[in-house]
Amino acid sequence: AQSVTQLDSQVPVFEEAPVELRCNYSSSVSVYLFWYVQYPNQGLQLLLKYLSGSTLVESINGFEAEFNKSQTSFHLRKPSVHISDTAEYFCAVSDRRTSYDKVIFGPGTSLSVIP
Amino acid sequence: SQTIHQWPATLVQPVGSPLSLECTVEGTSNPNLYWYRQAAGRGLQLLFYSVGIGQISSEVPQNLSASRPQDRQFILSSKKLLLSDSGFYLCAWSSGRSSYNSPLHFGNGTRLTVT
Repeated sequence: AQSVTQLDSQVPVFEEAPVELRCNYSSSVSVYLFWYVQYPNQGLQLLLKYLSGSTLVESINGFEAEFNKSQTSFHLRKPSVHISDTAEYFCAVSDRRTSYDKVIFGPGTSLSVIP
Repeated sequence: SQTIHQWPATLVQPVGSPLSLECTVEGTSNPNLYWYRQAAGRGLQLLFYSVGIGQISSEVPQNLSASRPQDRQFILSSKKLLLSDSGFYLCAWSSGRSSYNSPLHFGNGTRLTVT
């Protein structure tokens, strides 16, 4: 069965420093990849997604993620973080081999930006 | 544009009492609908999903049930709440026309505390 691993449960980083949030999944066959962000006491919002084509995808607020099929990874990066980036980040995988539209979420990484 | 409404935002219920959480989607037809639970410091657990009216699939055996009486209405219920039912409940929808690569759109969640 498909699974998603986010090795870092908490990532503290100073403001304006770069950050990488790691995500690995168990199988690279026919998958779609997503990053969601959750601010305190809110639902999740889609940050970016990889469906096909270029392996590097970008969001409107400066985050980017790269699909690496050989390493089954989809790490999220930002060259310079802001205080407003403090949130919980979830990596997710949609597996076309299932018979329904099922999304598997990782356990999440809590990003804390320190002023 | 599509919107998703989830209520109530917070709820405190005694053990053994019934539960009803409601979720409605506007601006789209025949969506896939989902109920997730998020325990403190943990990822998202899929509880139920629905691809159409009256069609409910359960991911885990539990004290909860779900119903979809209308195309864009999804209800989470329990006859008798347990302490372990406490958590943050999230409703979500995705486009039924483009499964697998359609992102999830989440409501703002209901924080349930069972006392």
